[in-house]
Amino acid sequence: SQTIHQWPATLVQPVGSPLSLECTVEGTSNPNLYWYRQAAGRGLQLLFYSVGIGQISSEVPQNLSASRPQDRQFILSSKKLLLSDSGFYLCAWSVLTERNQPQHFGDGTRLSIL
Amino acid sequence: GNSVTQMEGPVTLSEEAFLTINCTYTATGYPSLFWYVQYPGEGLQLLLKATKADDKGSNKGFEATYRKETTSFHLEKGSVQVSDSAVYFCALSKGNNAGNMLTFGGGTRLMVKP
Repeated sequence: SQTIHQWPATLVQPVGSPLSLECTVEGTSNPNLYWYRQAAGRGLQLLFYSVGIGQISSEVPQNLSASRPQDRQFILSSKKLLLSDSGFYLCAWSVLTERNQPQHFGDGTRLSIL
Repeated sequence: GNSVTQMEGPVTLSEEAFLTINCTYTATGYPSLFWYVQYPGEGLQLLLKATKADDKGSNKGFEATYRKETTSFHLEKGSVQVSDSAVYFCALSKGNNAGNMLTFGGGTRLMVKP
C-alpha cells in the first residue's frame, strides 16, 4: 500500500531563518505531488504541484520554493522566513496516470515563526 | 471557473443526532467529488468519493450522493459520535486535468457533544 511521510511534525523557527520541509511517498511510482498551506482555522491553499522530477508549478507568488530531486521526494524551502509563513503545511500525492483521482495527504508540519 | 461552497460552521450536535453538511459545486465537464475529514492536528483523510452522477459514496456511516441536477454532494450521517468531531472538506476534481487538481470548499467544523 502507499504511504506518505512528512517531517518534521512541528518546527519553530525565527524570522529570517531558512526552511526545509521534506515529503516522501512510498509504494507508488511517478505520483503527482502537492504542497498546501493551511492557516489556523482556515481552508487549504495550494502552493506548488509537480507532475515529474524537476517539474514544479507555483500557484501563489511568495518567498517559498519547491523542488523534486527524486521521483517520490518533494521539498519545500525558503531562504528567509517571514512571520506570515506560519501555518500548517501539508504534502499530498495522487496517481499520475488516471484523471479525477483523489489526493492523499500526509500528517502535516506545523510551522511557527517567532 | 470551478468552485465548491460548503455551509459555514461550526455545526454543533448532540451525540446520536442526524448530520447534514451541505456542499454545492460549480464545474465544467464531469468532475469527481470527494469528502475529506481532518481531525485536530492531523492531515486530511479521504472519507468518501463519487465519480459520476447518482453515485453514492459511503464510509464509516457517512454517505453522500452526487446530484448533478442540483450540483450538490451533501454529507450525511444518521447518528454522530463524539469521535466524529472534526473539520470536513468537500472537494471536486476538474474533469479534464491530468494533474488531479482539487478545488476545496472552505471546510465545516463539526462539534459533537456527549
